[in-house]
This record gives sequence, C-alpha cells and structure tokens, in this order.
Amino acid sequence: GQQVMQIPQYQHVQEGEDFTTYCNSSTTLSNIQWYKQRPGGHPVFLIQLVKSGEVKKQKRLTFQFGEAKKNSSLHITATQTTDVGTYFCAGLTGGYQKVTFGTGTKLQVIP
Amino acid sequence: NAGVTQTPKFQVLKTGQSMTLQCAQDMNHEYMSWYRQDPGMGLRLIHYSVGAGITDQGEVPNGYNVSRSTTEDFPLRLLSAAPSQTSVYFCASADPETRGEQFFGPGTRLTVL
Repeated sequence: GQQVMQIPQYQHVQEGEDFTTYCNSSTTLSNIQWYKQRPGGHPVFLIQLVKSGEVKKQKRLTFQFGEAKKNSSLHITATQTTDVGTYFCAGLTGGYQKVTFGTGTKLQVIP
Repeated sequence: NAGVTQTPKFQVLKTGQSMTLQCAQDMNHEYMSWYRQDPGMGLRLIHYSVGAGITDQGEVPNGYNVSRSTTEDFPLRLLSAAPSQTSVYFCASADPETRGEQFFGPGTRLTVL
C-alpha cells in the first residue's frame, strides 16, 4: 500500500533558526496537504498543494510540492516558540478516497 | 457552527467490552473519516465514508465497524476491545469539492485495560 515517510522525526532548534521537514511518498500523489498539531490538540489544516513543482508561502512558512508529485517540504524561517508542535504531511491519491498521513515531525523551539 | 464534535473525550474499557465513539459534524460535509494516533505512528486511517450509506476500509480497519446513516453522524464501534486499541481517536470531515481540507474533532483518548 501507499506509504508516506517524513523526516526528521524530531527537531530541536533555537528560536530564530530555520526548520525544514521533508515528506516522501512511495506513489505519485494527486494532492498533498500539511497539518500542524499542537501538544494535546488535534491536527489543524495548513495548506494543500496540487500542481507539480508548486510553491506556496504563508508568512514564514514555505511549502513545496516536487516535480514528480512524490515529495514535499515545509520550511519555516526564523522559528518562534509559537511554531512548536508536530507537522504532518498527508498524501491524497485518486481524488479524496484515501488519505495517508506521514509519521510527522515534532518541532521543539528553545527560547 | 460547532464543526466536528466527538464524545466522549476520555474512556477506559476492559478487554472484551464494546463501545461506540460518537462523531458529528454540522458543515454538511460528504467525506468523513476516523483515524487513530499512536506515538511515533502518525495518524492511521481506520474507516472512511464518502457519503451517507457509503463506507470503506482504511489502513487499519480490523476490530472496528462504522456506519453512515446520515450526512452528519459517523460513529465508530469497537466490537470487543483489546489493549492494542489503546490510542487517541480522531474523527474528521471534509468537502472534497472545495479546498479539501480535513476538519478534525478534538479526539477521544481511549485506554483498554
């Protein structure tokens, strides 16, 4: 079945440093979504990428979708303590039938 | 709009007991799904539904049943609880025709002794 791997599993950064998490799918995706989950909370949608090579920005967050639509990345510039949480990618194939989440990257920001 | 609601928030079961986790949404979303979240495993899809009367299995369906008699409700039934089902369960809904983002409920933390 489809597998979506995410690296790294954990990342500790000093406040102000940059952070990147990478997502790789075993199959070609139709869309990829990114979610953030704060400790003790539920996943919250950040963005969806649809097109090959697409790049989208949300303030300090930059999302990329690979040309082959099998990988994606999330980059945070100048991390803040409010960025703490676990970031998940979610790969969609064949429309919206099945969604496969990555294993997540847990980000800790040291003030 | 309440969004996606889940009950109960916490539950402790003994091995072999059955129970139903409730999920409801008031956004008229066709797509609903159940996930379990275990440490280091991310979110794994249990069952999903693309509309009332239509359900299908996800990645880890064994030990769970679902039904979708209305657009609003998507209950998850544990037939005979096992310690391996100790987890946090999230229900989600989405409208695939628009942005496709999934809206998650607050979760149910289940412990099976």
